[in-house]
Amino acid sequence: SQQGEEDPQALSIQEGENATMNCSYKTSINNLQWYRQNSGRGLVHLILIRSNEREKHSGRLRVTLDTSKKSSSLLITASRAADTASYFCATGLTDSWGKLQFGAGTQVVVTP
Amino acid sequence: GAGVSQTPSNKVTEKGKYVELRCDPISGHTALYWYRQSLGQGPEFLIYFQGTGAADDSGLPNDRFFAVRPEGSVSTLKIQRTERGDSAVYLCASSSLGSSYNEQFFGPGTRLTVL
Repeated sequence: SQQGEEDPQALSIQEGENATMNCSYKTSINNLQWYRQNSGRGLVHLILIRSNEREKHSGRLRVTLDTSKKSSSLLITASRAADTASYFCATGLTDSWGKLQFGAGTQVVVTP
Repeated sequence: GAGVSQTPSNKVTEKGKYVELRCDPISGHTALYWYRQSLGQGPEFLIYFQGTGAADDSGLPNDRFFAVRPEGSVSTLKIQRTERGDSAVYLCASSSLGSSYNEQFFGPGTRLTVL
């Protein structure tokens, strides 16, 4: 079963615009992570935010976490064509150290 | 350094056959994970190892699926009597122990097609 749900399912923007996607989850978490996947194969870790953190930045990425609403958002600023990929949120649960539960992903297309 | 590697990259088999999928984690990573991803979905957790032992195998769908990691490094996912519904990309990941905040490093996956 999938823990998270991403919104929107698909996003199409032009280079230079910002892309925002949201993730909602159901159970208590230890941390929340965002991954990127190109061409349906290996995932690349982007950023991890702990349950006691509210916001985190990494380069052009900004992640927020609201544990009261059980939601997170990923913002990609000044998008580039190379940002075209699927983006997944994954939650690390408090009662299961190693398991990550992924959402269904947001497919982002950035056109030049 | 080398990342997580998986072999084969593609596997086509017939219904009812047995298959083995191999994962070679990043050197020194003590935790290893298997996920399965169907088209249009996110990865679905199957099992994870700490060292040689399976710490959580709650995601294995049934007893046709089994995984081993005998020496605490390479792992093999074994599927018996394959079914068409087993067709998916099987992803392996590894991480270093020592923190409960486990950034996982993924391999490229093995695409399994059961005819």
